[in-house]
Amino acid sequence: AQTVTQSQPEMSVQEAETVTLSCTYDTSESDYYLFWYKQPPSRQMILVIRQEAYKQQNATENRFSVNFQKAAKSFSLKISDSQLGDAAMYFCAYRSPPGSSNYKLTFGKGTLLTVNP
Amino acid sequence: GAVVSQHPSRVICKSGTSVKIECRSLDFQATTMFWYRQFPKQSLMLMATSNEGSKATYEQGVEKDKFLINHASLTLSTLTVTSAHPEDSSFYICSASVGLFAEQYFGPGTRLTVT
Repeated sequence: AQTVTQSQPEMSVQEAETVTLSCTYDTSESDYYLFWYKQPPSRQMILVIRQEAYKQQNATENRFSVNFQKAAKSFSLKISDSQLGDAAMYFCAYRSPPGSSNYKLTFGKGTLLTVNP
Repeated sequence: GAVVSQHPSRVICKSGTSVKIECRSLDFQATTMFWYRQFPKQSLMLMATSNEGSKATYEQGVEKDKFLINHASLTLSTLTVTSAHPEDSSFYICSASVGLFAEQYFGPGTRLTVT
C-alpha cells in the first residue's frame, strides 16, 4: 500500500518570502499522480498543483512549483512571494494510475502554514 | 467550472436522530462521488465511494448501516447518518469526479454536531 508522509506539522513564513513544504511517499508503482491540496480556514479543499510521475519536468502554477525527485520519492511544494491568503493546511496526496486496483487518493497528515505579515 | 456544493454547511442534531447531507455537482455529471470524514487538525479519511446507480463501496471499519449513501443521479449523492451519536460529530466532505481515476472536485464540507 502507498503511504504519504509530511514531516512538518507546522511551518511559518514571512509575507513575500519563499517557503518549501516537504512530502515523501512510498510506492512500488512506476506511474502515478501526486497532488498538493490547500485547505484554508473555510475548509474548502483546493487543488494547488499536480504532477504526473512520467513527466520529468516539475509542475508550476504561478507562484507554486514542485520539486519532484522520483528516485528519492520526494515531492516538495515551493511557494514563492508568500501572501497572507496562502495561510492554510496543505495536504500532499498520491493516486495510482488509471486501471490500477486502487483508485483512492492517499493523503498525508498535512502541514499547517502560517504567513506572518 | 467543476463546482461541487454541499448542504447543509452546518447541522446540529440530537442524539438518536438521523441527518442527511447532500452533495451536488453543479456543472458536470459525476459518475463517482466520494465521502470523507475529517477530524480536527487531521487529514481526510475516505469513508465510501459511490457510483451512480449502484451500491456504495465502504472502507474497512465504516458501518454501512449507520452511514447510508445514495447516489441516485449523476449530480446528487446523499449521506445519511442514522441514529447519530456525539462521536459522529465531525466534518464531512464529499468530492465528485467523472470516473474513479478522474480528478476529484471537493465540496465545501458539512460540520455535523450531535448533542
